[in-house]
Amino acid sequence: SQTIHQWPATLVQPVGSPLSLECTVEGTSNPNLYWYRQAAGRGLQLLFYSVGIGQISSEVPQNLSASRPQDRQFILSSKKLLLSDSGFYLCAWSHQQGMNTEAFFGQGTRLTVV
Amino acid sequence: QKEVEQDPGPLSVPEGAIVSLNCTYSNSAFQYFMWYRQYSRKGPELLMYTYSSGNKEDGRFTAQVDKSSKYISLFIRDSQPSDSATYLCAMSAWAGGSEKLVFGKGMKLTVNP
Repeated sequence: SQTIHQWPATLVQPVGSPLSLECTVEGTSNPNLYWYRQAAGRGLQLLFYSVGIGQISSEVPQNLSASRPQDRQFILSSKKLLLSDSGFYLCAWSHQQGMNTEAFFGQGTRLTVV
Repeated sequence: QKEVEQDPGPLSVPEGAIVSLNCTYSNSAFQYFMWYRQYSRKGPELLMYTYSSGNKEDGRFTAQVDKSSKYISLFIRDSQPSDSATYLCAMSAWAGGSEKLVFGKGMKLTVNP
């Protein structure tokens, strides 16, 4: 069965510090991978998605970036965090085209920028 | 107009009540409809999914899709305190060589014992 791992669960970082959140998927190959941010009252905001290694699409311009160095690894990064980057970050995966398209989520990382 | 609209609530009901959660959408290309349940401080988990118009039952949960009205619903019968969570609708379409998955904002439900 497929599983998705996301860490850390919680993170407190000072403004201006770098960020690296990691997500890995097991039990499937060539998944679509997603990074979402969830803020209270604003729902799920898609930040990045990837259909393959090195292929990253950005949905929202900001100081965050994403990378996919391996098929089942997705990393969310920032060089300098802003207060507005605080939120609940979720990694998700789905099967590729032609299969069920529901997304499966990790347990999330609650980031607080202070 | 947003592609997916969902009343964020919150909604508070007594135990045993029938709960109705709804979403509307504007993009007729959406073909696959999902409901997620998210407990506090956890990631969303897939609750139900359906491709077609009509009803789909799973235990106390019924998902309903009306493509002509662009309206989907989730009904919870005999609601329990353990159903207290945020419920998100989601829908997807395959267009232009890529998948488009869109979520509603989520409705926070509290079931009071």
